Amino acid sequence: DTAVSQTPKYLVTQMGNDKSIKCEQNLGHDTMYWYKQDSKKFLKIMFSYNNKELIINETVPNRFSPKSPDKAHLNLHINSLELGDSAVYFCASSHSDRGNSPLHFGNGTRLTVT
Amino acid sequence: AQTVTQSQPEMSVQEAETVTLSCTYDTSESDYYLFWYKQPPSRQMILVIRQEAYKQQNATENRFSVNFQKAAKSFSLKISDSQLGDAAMYFCAYWTGANSKLTFGKGITLSVRP
Repeated sequence: DTAVSQTPKYLVTQMGNDKSIKCEQNLGHDTMYWYKQDSKKFLKIMFSYNNKELIINETVPNRFSPKSPDKAHLNLHINSLELGDSAVYFCASSHSDRGNSPLHFGNGTRLTVT
Repeated sequence: AQTVTQSQPEMSVQEAETVTLSCTYDTSESDYYLFWYKQPPSRQMILVIRQEAYKQQNATENRFSVNFQKAAKSFSLKISDSQLGDAAMYFCAYWTGANSKLTFGKGITLSVRP
């Protein structure tokens, strides 16, 4: 059973479109995250939610909107996609938002905007 | 600013030999945790090892061990008896209570020669 699963695995779309990436974890964790890995492989946090509440919102364009319907799900919706949004997006979860709770990552979604 | 620095972009090791990957960090916090994550070509992010800053003993996980030098703010990863499957990108990361997020270094690409 996949602990953190995100769909789709690959997403190719045109500029200006709106798309969503879904994430689900079956680990019973309280905290979920979205990370972006750019073309240089640099990983940067975008958002984190703890018990469905937003606790971290980095400097991310407001075209990106996370939604957490329950503790086990954290979806990412992106409006008006731009070329610079092309990247790999990772969902992750942890038992809590404390440092002694390692992150468990999904396998990533490679988004390509043409 | 709180940063994680991995100054070596690439390293190579002969199979069965030992390699050390360097990482330094900068934080004024006393409560923090350090991690090494592995990202193979499959792009999955896998936790390799973690170290609590308050522990003096270096963490060890099978062939993986760390050299944690708190005063020097250094956290290197040693891989013993390197195997072909160790070939991957390795990311050093730390978490502090100040911002409750995992901050990653730029990563290092490790290749293993048969």
